[in-house]
Amino acid sequence: GQNIDQPTEMTATEGAIVQINCTYQTSGFNGLFWYQQHAGEAPTFLSYNVLDGLEEKGRFSSFLSRSKGYSYLLLKELQMKDSASYLCAGNTGGFKTIFGAGTRLFVKA
Amino acid sequence: DTEVTQTPKHLVMGMTNKKSLKCEQHMGHRAMYWYKQKAKKPPELMFVYSYEKLSINESVPSRFSPECPNSSLLNLHLHALQPEDSALYLCASSPPGGGGNQPQHFGDGTRLSIL
Repeated sequence: GQNIDQPTEMTATEGAIVQINCTYQTSGFNGLFWYQQHAGEAPTFLSYNVLDGLEEKGRFSSFLSRSKGYSYLLLKELQMKDSASYLCAGNTGGFKTIFGAGTRLFVKA
Repeated sequence: DTEVTQTPKHLVMGMTNKKSLKCEQHMGHRAMYWYKQKAKKPPELMFVYSYEKLSINESVPSRFSPECPNSSLLNLHLHALQPEDSALYLCASSPPGGGGNQPQHFGDGTRLSIL
């Protein structure tokens, strides 16, 4: 099967930088997406990579290495409101997307 | 507020009831999705419609029946649900192009409880 793995929880300090890693099987994934989900709310799209390399969007950046089956989301200048779950998701062809279990990020003062 | 609107926000129903969840978007997206999400779990894909045609059914039980009346609307008809069907049901849409490899925009979801 196709799996996406990411750490269950992370804790970081306000103002710091945090990197959330995601690994997946290299076969059959066309693009890697990152979503943010606050408790009780809908996921919101943050960033995605189709090609290898770094995509930067303000405080959020995402990196992809297709040969290594590896992606990360980088959050800079952390704010308390960044406390949320971060979901790594892969497009496996057509309209099918598989989500990782999510990484719960706790930002402390 | 999101650009994908789901109603109702909350729904409590008995196992013999028939109800429908509704989803609407006006962004010109031509793919629409239903997901089921249990607490502290990732969204699980149920159905995908592309250009108003059912593209994916992830072996969902027939007590869930999707419908896409037009490019802006997506319904999920519910009948004879089980307590384990209690979950957050998320609707999403994505723009055309890219063969489906596009970011998805999610609604706020309908929190469904089966008694």
